[in-house]
Amino acid sequence: EAGVTQFPSHSVIEKGQTVTLRCDPISGHDNLYWYRRVMGKEIKFLLHFVKESKQDESGMPNNRFLAERTGGTYSTLKVQPAELEDSGVYFCASSPRQEFGYTFGSGTRLTVV
Amino acid sequence: DQQVKQNSPSLSVQEGRISILNCDYTNSMFDYFLWYKKYPAEGPTFLISISSIKDKNEDGRFTVFLNKSAKHLSLHIVPSQPGDSAVYFCAASAYSGGSNYKLTFGKGTLLTVNP
Repeated sequence: EAGVTQFPSHSVIEKGQTVTLRCDPISGHDNLYWYRRVMGKEIKFLLHFVKESKQDESGMPNNRFLAERTGGTYSTLKVQPAELEDSGVYFCASSPRQEFGYTFGSGTRLTVV
Repeated sequence: DQQVKQNSPSLSVQEGRISILNCDYTNSMFDYFLWYKKYPAEGPTFLISISSIKDKNEDGRFTVFLNKSAKHLSLHIVPSQPGDSAVYFCAASAYSGGSNYKLTFGKGTLLTVNP
């Protein structure tokens, strides 16, 4: 079984540019989560999808961040325009049902310069 | 405002000895706790969890203890092995038997097990 896959693994962009991160959850997993770890800080929740619906988006930092999950399969997280403080590692996770212990991907390291 | 605190950034132990990783929390609404392990360039991997109705949960070499009155939990690894060297994250949720699966993480503790 393929794990949670995230693209790209690294991205370096200039301040003000747009970046789109992609997450492919494990096949059949209805629940998809986005988390972020800023350098030296804790991993923070961004949002939770159940299929294509946003169950909880209380962790989204501001309206520069847009998450979508059309068709309930893969998800994208767009940052537009990117700011320096958006740098960090963005993790995606998925689970087949609403439960703890979900499976994380390896993350996308975003650097905004 | 950090609700889950791991006050030791790092811990070093000898192979075969016990590793004890500590975690404190401030939010009294937290009722489900997890430990994740993370190797470099990988995502966190679920290790073990405990509900607030219990005070201990054991899985092989890993045991998690919960002290609700002190708002403290710990992860014991016995015996420690070099392959256990990783960053360990404590996480908590205000689950309340509902649909809240959002996790609040600590900053992590780097465990190094020396051969």
